Amino acid sequence: RKEVEQDPGPFNVPEGATVAFNCTYSNSASQSFFWYRQDCRKEPKLLMSVYSSGNEDGRFTAQLNRASQYISLLIRDSKLSDSATYLCVVSVTNAGNMLTFGGGTRLMVKP
Amino acid sequence: ETGVTQSPTHLIKTRGQQVTLRCSSQSGHNTVSWYQQALGQGPQFIFQYYREEENGRGNFPPRFSGLQFPNYSSELNVNALELDDSALYLCASSYRLAGRIDTQYFGPGTRLTVL
Repeated sequence: RKEVEQDPGPFNVPEGATVAFNCTYSNSASQSFFWYRQDCRKEPKLLMSVYSSGNEDGRFTAQLNRASQYISLLIRDSKLSDSATYLCVVSVTNAGNMLTFGGGTRLMVKP
Repeated sequence: ETGVTQSPTHLIKTRGQQVTLRCSSQSGHNTVSWYQQALGQGPQFIFQYYREEENGRGNFPPRFSGLQFPNYSSELNVNALELDDSALYLCASSYRLAGRIDTQYFGPGTRLTVL
C-alpha cells in the first residue's frame, strides 16, 4: 500500500465547475500536510498548506481529517489555467521534513 | 521563480555509466533535498543534506550518493546507471533552524534518460 494515495484521474471539467480531490495517508505520525501543483514537465510548486481547522485561499479550500487520515482540496469556479496535476504531500517533522508525495491527480479544465 | 537552479537540464546516458547532477539552493537556505520522479508518478525522496551532512535517506541503494558544499549547493551522484533510473531529478532547498524546517522550494529538475 502506498503511503499517500490519490485518484490519478484525469478529472475533465468545464470552466466554472467545482471539483474536489481526495487523498489518504497511512503514516499516523504525519504532522504537516500540503497540496502542490505540477504543470506538465515542470517542477512541483506549493499550492497551499493544509491545517486541521481547514483553510481557504481564494477559490481553493483544503481540509484535513486526522482521525480518518484524509485530506481534500476543493477548487471552485475552475479556470483553464487550473489544468495541472495536483499532488497531495505529507511530512513528519522529526524525520527531517522529508516530503512524501502521492501519485497526483490530473485535472483538465475545458472551455 | 524560486531561485533554485539545477544543471544540466537534460542528460542522456547509457547503462552502467555514472552521472552527477547539480543544484544551487535559494539564497539563505541551508538544506537541500533530492527527489526522483518517474514518469506518471509523484516524486520520491532520495536524501537530504544539512550542514554538509546527509540528514535522512529514502529507499534508494548506495549507488545514489550526494554532497553538500559550504555554500549549500549540492550534487547528486548515481553510479552504475540502470534503465529504471530514467526520471526527473528534483532538488528542493529550504531553511532549517532549531529542528524546524520551512517550506521546500523546488528547482526545475534534470531530466535523465538512460539508454
